[in-house]
Amino acid sequence: DAGITQSPRHKVTETGTPVTLRCHQTENHRYMYWYRQDPGHGLRLIHYSYGVKDTDKGEVSDGYSVSRSKTEDFLLTLESATSSQTSVYFCAISESVEKLFFGSGTQLSVL
Amino acid sequence: AQSVTQPDIHITVSEGASLELRCNYSYGATPYLFWYVQSPGQGLQLLLKYFSGDTLVQGIKGFEAEFKRSQSSFNLRKPSVHWSDAAEYFCAVGQAAGNKLTFGGGTRVLVKP
Repeated sequence: DAGITQSPRHKVTETGTPVTLRCHQTENHRYMYWYRQDPGHGLRLIHYSYGVKDTDKGEVSDGYSVSRSKTEDFLLTLESATSSQTSVYFCAISESVEKLFFGSGTQLSVL
Repeated sequence: AQSVTQPDIHITVSEGASLELRCNYSYGATPYLFWYVQSPGQGLQLLLKYFSGDTLVQGIKGFEAEFKRSQSSFNLRKPSVHWSDAAEYFCAVGQAAGNKLTFGGGTRVLVKP
């Protein structure tokens, strides 16, 4: 299995608080992604990175920011959490479109 | 923009019966197509992928999928399902630029004994 670690695995927070999710990889892959999974919507891309300090928006980026200061770490920040951001968040890594590896997910509940 | 539609939200199948999951995509160029499976509480595992060549591709766990360009479809099949195939299945289309995937909404498969 690809070396991807997401932390925390579960988090409960309150509306209006900032939240940061971490994705750590040991594969030295260039590309990293954050997806959210919601029933009926499958996985939707939030942000992705194509290198250190190089990031771009996905289809559902409003209310989220990301940072990648090292190859191995990709952080997702909810600037002011809302109930609509309750979801399961998946990190993924790849070197090419042919091989995308997913982490185990973070269950986030915003009350 | 690319998109993926999985028309069936839930499918119930008896153990030992055949299974077919539908996937339709919209993409301007030749697509990279994928099927992933997600067991409860787990991440996504790649079942199979199509980039070019033979339009019938074989994957893990006895699954296969057929690419039909004329129908913009990439349906997943298994001749005989096992109870362990109960999971959610996602079809995805990829683009080489940025290595991004667009996923369908998923089909949840229930297997009856």
